[in-house]
Amino acid sequence: DSGVTQTPKHLITATGQRVTLRCSPRSGDLSVYWYQQSLDQGLQFLIQYYNGEERAKGNILERFSAQQFPDLHSELNLSSLELGDSALYFCASSVTSGSDEQYFGPGTRLTVT
Amino acid sequence: QQQVKQSPQSLIVQKGGISIINCAYENTAFDYFPWYQQFPGKGPALLIAIRPDVSEKKEGRFTISFNKSAKQFSLHIMDSQPGDSATYFCAASGGLNRDDKIIFGKGTRLHILP
Repeated sequence: DSGVTQTPKHLITATGQRVTLRCSPRSGDLSVYWYQQSLDQGLQFLIQYYNGEERAKGNILERFSAQQFPDLHSELNLSSLELGDSALYFCASSVTSGSDEQYFGPGTRLTVT
Repeated sequence: QQQVKQSPQSLIVQKGGISIINCAYENTAFDYFPWYQQFPGKGPALLIAIRPDVSEKKEGRFTISFNKSAKQFSLHIMDSQPGDSATYFCAASGGLNRDDKIIFGKGTRLHILP
């Protein structure tokens, strides 16, 4: 158990809908990262937040957005969902924003029908 | 270039053998090279990591070899066990912008035959 929690575990929704994925980092970790894992694309970095502020952006679509709250939990919002958005979404956390160990949560499996 | 190329895609090794997974990168500014292990239905877990100031790091049966001039690094699993069967990802981070973006390889599915 990494100490990172993600909810929900599974999510099934229809195209065009909007969903919110939630992540609670390990106690003491200030940095939160979001990743998308699909069979053909591997692990893709989406976005990083550090202590409430956006720190880095990866291949995140404009339909997706995230935020980190004062209690350091983070939410990833996915809107206008398409079939291709079906994937595993992982959150990871680390102590600092530097290049150090990231601890991954168990993921949220999103299925768009 | 922000790519990390990982090979092979899949690997089958006999129990007790040595499993070797290779990765190559292009961005010379990367300064942190972790390996992650992922079991089905679980999130990736950090296995071992290296920084470019050393050429090798060993933790138990797992060793990273790092070749800075060739821009390559590899994971060696000694005395491979069926419990090592998982997907392994190499990664690199610390690019020029220090934005901590981490680039993952595509993964290697390792199967250890009992």
